[in-house]
Amino acid sequence: GENVEQHPSTLSVQEGDSAVIKCTYSDSASNYFPWYKQELGKGPQLIIDIRSNVGEKKDQRIAVTLNKTAKHFSLHITETQPEDSAVYFCAASKGNDMRFGAGTRLTVKP
Amino acid sequence: EAQVTQNPRYLITVTGKKLTVTCSQNMNHEYMSWYRQDPGLGLRQIYYSMNVEVTDKGDVPEGYKVSRKEKRNFPLILESPSPNQTSLYFCASSPNARYGYTFGSGTRLTVV
Repeated sequence: GENVEQHPSTLSVQEGDSAVIKCTYSDSASNYFPWYKQELGKGPQLIIDIRSNVGEKKDQRIAVTLNKTAKHFSLHITETQPEDSAVYFCAASKGNDMRFGAGTRLTVKP
Repeated sequence: EAQVTQNPRYLITVTGKKLTVTCSQNMNHEYMSWYRQDPGLGLRQIYYSMNVEVTDKGDVPEGYKVSRKEKRNFPLILESPSPNQTSLYFCASSPNARYGYTFGSGTRLTVV
């Protein structure tokens, strides 16, 4: 089955800097790649997603890139703010099967 | 407001005492799923349901049961809970499996 690896497990940046979280997947048939943000005491919330027919997608300060050949995708957050501090999960999906990475705890220091 | 509602938010129980965690969604989603979240392991799927009366096992189904008698409800049943089922549980729903999920707020279960 699909295996998703996510790095780093923790990331600390200064407010205003950029943050990048990377994920790799094993199943080349995976075709949907969402990213979730989980704040303390809450459930994960979908923040951006990308499908396999697209290489990049941007929504304000966040962007996701996908390299199908290398089977990796990344989340980029620019101009980070303290409210970006959370745990971020990547996922890879094929049909009914969605697998999550282990998560990245992002801390944005003011 | 579109949402997935789980109850209870917190539950402490004893080994072997049957319990049910309820999950309800108001978005008319066909797909629903249960996950458990453990430190360092991310989210692991327990069971999922493609529609009413259609359920299937995820990666970690042992010790759990589910049912989908109505489209909006997808309860998680632990017939005989054990301490290794202590975890944070999330219910999620989606129009179908190829779209992002809406997650509930979670149920923190402790089995002593």
